[in-house]
Amino acid sequence: GESVGLHLPTLSVQEGDNSIINCAYSNSASDYFIWYKQESGKGPQFIIDIRSNMDKRQGQRVTVLLNKTVKHLSLQIAATQPGDSAVYFCAENRANRDDKIIFGKGTRLHILP
Amino acid sequence: DAGVTQSPTHLIKTRGQQVTLRCSPKSGHDTVSWYQQALGQGPQFIFQYYEEEERQRGNFPDRFSGHQFPNYSSELNVNALLLGDSALYLCASSPGTLEAFFGQGTRLTVV
Repeated sequence: GESVGLHLPTLSVQEGDNSIINCAYSNSASDYFIWYKQESGKGPQFIIDIRSNMDKRQGQRVTVLLNKTVKHLSLQIAATQPGDSAVYFCAENRANRDDKIIFGKGTRLHILP
Repeated sequence: DAGVTQSPTHLIKTRGQQVTLRCSPKSGHDTVSWYQQALGQGPQFIFQYYEEEERQRGNFPDRFSGHQFPNYSSELNVNALLLGDSALYLCASSPGTLEAFFGQGTRLTVV
C-alpha cells in the first residue's frame, strides 16, 4: 500500500551534536525519496533526495542513507544548529508512475542549548 | 524569481461556504500540485494539473476541484465547506522533473 512513516514524532538533540531522523516505507517498488524541512508557518523545503539505485547521498551537513533490504531511510544532520529546529518529513515520489509525493507524518526536531 | 506564491495567506470561512485558493508556480514550471496539511500531519496529495488538465487525483471528494490557466497558475476550489476542511493548503510546482517546490500555503479555518 501507499505509506511512508516515521519512527519517532519528536527528537531532541544538543546543539552541536549530530541528529539522525529515521523513516520506514512499505512499498518495495518505491524508487525515489525526498527529505523535506518544514518550519513553523512555512511550506516544506527540499533538503535532499535519493534514488532507489543509491544507498547514500551527501549534501551540505546532511546525509541520507537508504536501506532497501529493510525499507528504511534516514537523514543525518551534522553539527546541529538552532536553525535546524523544524519538522522533518520523509516523502516518496513515484515519478515513473504518477509524480505525486506521499508524505509521512513528520518528526519534530528540538535543538537543546 | 518569486518562487511559488499562494494567496491568500489566511482565510476564515463559514461551514457550507465555498472557497477559492490561488497559486502562481515558480517561473518555468508547468506542473502544479495541491496538498492539504492538517495540523500535526504530513501533507496529503489532492490533485495535480499539467497542461490545464487534472492529471492525477488523491483520495478527496469532488467538493475539491481545481483549474490550471494557460500561464500555469492554478486555483483550488472547495465547495460546501466542512469543519474538517480546516487545514494548511499547499501548492507545489515542478518543471516536469522530480523536484517540487512548495509555496508558503494558505491557512483555511472553517467555523
